[in-house]
Amino acid sequence: DTAVSQTPKYLVTQMGNDKSIKCEQNLGHDTMYWYKQDSKKFLKIMFSYNNKELIINETVPNRFSPKSPDKAHLNLHINSLELGDSAVYFCASSQVSSKQFFGPGTRLTVL
Amino acid sequence: GIQVEQSPPDLILQEGANSTLRCNFSDSVNNLQWFHQNPWGQLINLFYIPSGTKQNGRLSATTVATERYSLLYISSSQTTDSGVYFCAVERRRGSTLGRLYFGRGTQLTVWP
Repeated sequence: DTAVSQTPKYLVTQMGNDKSIKCEQNLGHDTMYWYKQDSKKFLKIMFSYNNKELIINETVPNRFSPKSPDKAHLNLHINSLELGDSAVYFCASSQVSSKQFFGPGTRLTVL
Repeated sequence: GIQVEQSPPDLILQEGANSTLRCNFSDSVNNLQWFHQNPWGQLINLFYIPSGTKQNGRLSATTVATERYSLLYISSSQTTDSGVYFCAVERRRGSTLGRLYFGRGTQLTVWP
């Protein structure tokens, strides 16, 4: 019944590693997003996909690469992880310009 | 981008008290949403409210778009209301999909 789900919930890894976070929504929404929440709880959009097409790409290092295999899935792959990548990453979905629904978040810790 | 300012940054209440949270934004927007992040980190969408007033149980929200502010009212607060309340606004240009700009939140603590 979970509307927006993310895996894993926690991710602890070493600097320099590559990791992926997966997101799935069962709400039938056309648009999906990735947000980053920093240690001061500030939320900022990273990417947005509409019908599998990249719409928003904020100033994010190109070590971050989103991929949307279909409308219901949006994954985030991160290469060469750095200490500053430690944060909580949220996936969200919505119809265009409607209420956004967030996943439970993935807490990434880079050691 | 749009500047979104929330006040107060912190609020401590006794259970049963009422409160008002404010969100000011620097430019005209297409929509405004209020979120609650509970102590376990989950973000819950409370309201989608580009203008006017909406009510949901003990919570209500009012957006005055022409004056660029929104208010979130919490009545008869309960300990489960604790957490961070975020305001987020979206501005679209033409047919381009907009993005949500978040404020820095109001940290609410409700004591029994």
